[in-house]
Amino acid sequence: GAVVSQHPSWVICKSGTSVKIECRSLDFQATTMFWYRQFPKQSLMLMATSNEGSKATYEQGVEKDKFLINHASLTLSTLTVTSAHPEDSSFYICSARDGRGERGYTFGSGTRLTVV
Amino acid sequence: EDQVTQSPEALRLQEGESSSLNCSYTVSGLRGLFWYRQDPGKGPEFLFTLYSAGEEKEKERLKATLTKKESFLHITAPKPEDSATYLCAVQGRSARQLTFGSGTQLTVLP
Repeated sequence: GAVVSQHPSWVICKSGTSVKIECRSLDFQATTMFWYRQFPKQSLMLMATSNEGSKATYEQGVEKDKFLINHASLTLSTLTVTSAHPEDSSFYICSARDGRGERGYTFGSGTRLTVV
Repeated sequence: EDQVTQSPEALRLQEGESSSLNCSYTVSGLRGLFWYRQDPGKGPEFLFTLYSAGEEKEKERLKATLTKKESFLHITAPKPEDSATYLCAVQGRSARQLTFGSGTQLTVLP
């Protein structure tokens, strides 16, 4: 079945530094990947749609300059949180669609970001 | 705008006590309704996709049903390992992304 690998699974960084999160589709190609943010006991909120070879599409209210998305290949999308602050601490999850079956969207295992 | 509402927010069951979770939705042309299971600190795990009213799917102790306005996830004789948050999501006809509900946190007590 479709597998999406996300790394790292957790990261702690100092305020003001940048953090990169990787999302890879392991056994299928994904022209589109999705990045979500999830706060404790809340649902997934779509941040942006990552498009291979073109600019990402950001949801309303998401700062493009803070959350940099790069989708340079059909199997890799990255999310970089720039100049991180404590309020950026959250659970970030990526997703990709495998068009081969009805499974729909496969999710990565998530990245717990803590900014101190 | 697509919307998904799940109820209840939390549900505690005794082992073996069957129940149902509800997912009400409004969408401009349903392409698919998805059920996922999410364990703490993990990404959502796919359970079912339903496409049209009247459709039903089963997997072990879980059964998902769909009407034009809502979906139910029936849990028969649950076990403690069924404890998780269950998420419902829809994809509208013109959308690439999913719209998620807030989830139902299920706890099954031994």
